[in-house]
Amino acid sequence: AQTVTQSQPEMSVQEAETVTLSCTYDTSESDYYLFWYKQPPSRQMILVIRQEAYKQQNATENRFSVNFQKAAKSFSLKISDSQLGDAAMYFCAYRSAMAGNTPLVFGKGTRLSVIA
Amino acid sequence: ETGVTQSPTHLIKTRGQQVTLRCSSQSGHNTVSWYQQALGQGPQFIFQYYREEENGRGNFPPRFSGLQFPNYSSELNVNALELDDSALYLCASSLGWGRGGQETQYFGPGTRLLVL
Repeated sequence: AQTVTQSQPEMSVQEAETVTLSCTYDTSESDYYLFWYKQPPSRQMILVIRQEAYKQQNATENRFSVNFQKAAKSFSLKISDSQLGDAAMYFCAYRSAMAGNTPLVFGKGTRLSVIA
Repeated sequence: ETGVTQSPTHLIKTRGQQVTLRCSSQSGHNTVSWYQQALGQGPQFIFQYYREEENGRGNFPPRFSGLQFPNYSSELNVNALELDDSALYLCASSLGWGRGGQETQYFGPGTRLLVL
């Protein structure tokens, strides 16, 4: 079974600074997807960014980028120019690329605080 | 906003009772997945419905059951409620049945269930 580990329960960052959230995962599969989801106090899980394991290039979405190290099974999220609205729980998630809609496997999350 | 809606937003039940939670999927989506998120934890996969049939289940007992209707909306039913069932219940819709992960899962705002 696949597992996802987020070793930082809480992180904080000054507004306009950069922060990196860590995630490691364990799998015997070679083809999969990795995701970062944001969950603000409103509770709605919002997709931030996703990475396909067969792509070597790291995904980027505006101020959000990832550092995907397949051999090390590491998938960190970098938030640049942090904004107050970035404050939320961030979850790293894994999804197998087997045929069909496979479920997401989530880590326990990292609570990010942004200091004005 | 993802277009996925859930009702009710909050619910209080007592131990032993039964509860039904509802989810309307995003327009055009034929797959609904349900997740349980306990306080301070990441979401855990309960089960998934594709075109009105259950086609995947996590490690949850049979008292957790569900339905998907012809319009692809879905219900989660929990019988004989226990205190540990207190959690945020999230549903996510996607367009299946392609390669796993290719179809992004869009989450609803969740239903907060408290069992006393």
